[in-house]
Amino acid sequence: GQQVMQIPQYQHVQEGEDFTTYCNSSTTLSNIQWYKQRPGGHPVFLIQLVKSGEVKKQKRLTFQFGEAKKNSSLHITATQTTDVGTYFCAYSGAGSYQLTFGKGTKLSVIP
Amino acid sequence: DSGVTQTPKHLITATGQRVTLRCSPRSGDLSVYWYQQSLDQGLQFLIQYYNGEERAKGNILERFSAQQFPDLHSELNLSSLELGDSALYFCASSVRGGDQETQYFGPGTRLLVL
Repeated sequence: GQQVMQIPQYQHVQEGEDFTTYCNSSTTLSNIQWYKQRPGGHPVFLIQLVKSGEVKKQKRLTFQFGEAKKNSSLHITATQTTDVGTYFCAYSGAGSYQLTFGKGTKLSVIP
Repeated sequence: DSGVTQTPKHLITATGQRVTLRCSPRSGDLSVYWYQQSLDQGLQFLIQYYNGEERAKGNILERFSAQQFPDLHSELNLSSLELGDSALYFCASSVRGGDQETQYFGPGTRLLVL
């Protein structure tokens, strides 16, 4: 089935540095969602993007959906220790709502 | 706190056994999804119920089954357990607003099969 590839798998940053994770698909996606899972926690919905070229911001987080709707990125400015966790992209197919998740990017922030 | 509850939090059992995981969705949510999270496979969709009816099936083994009851809580039954079934099992419930459906995940049940 359709897959999304997330890179990098792991990222270690110094507190205050920026962080970006990428989500790539070989086919056009109808939407992309981003989730954050803290260590020992459960996935928490962050945002959904549906339009080509869409950019959304949440405080220090910026989400983008590519023009071709085949890739997406999540950028965190000036990371904090509270940003630690695994960030997943996910999508649902047209006419359905079940999510297919990427493998996630695990972010560590060194204080 | 997402408003979705799952019991039990932890479950340790032996190969060949059968277990039942329970999920109560957020008040008003009609959809319940079950996901399995393992180290090698990541987060995988298992099955979805909507208002008591099975809506979609994903990578769910024949040894696994689920149902959603009239009060909308759901149960995931895992039978003839194997070592490889050890994983985190999440349920999620959803509310739909226009084109967007937001899924709220429960805290999960951690299953260990010995």
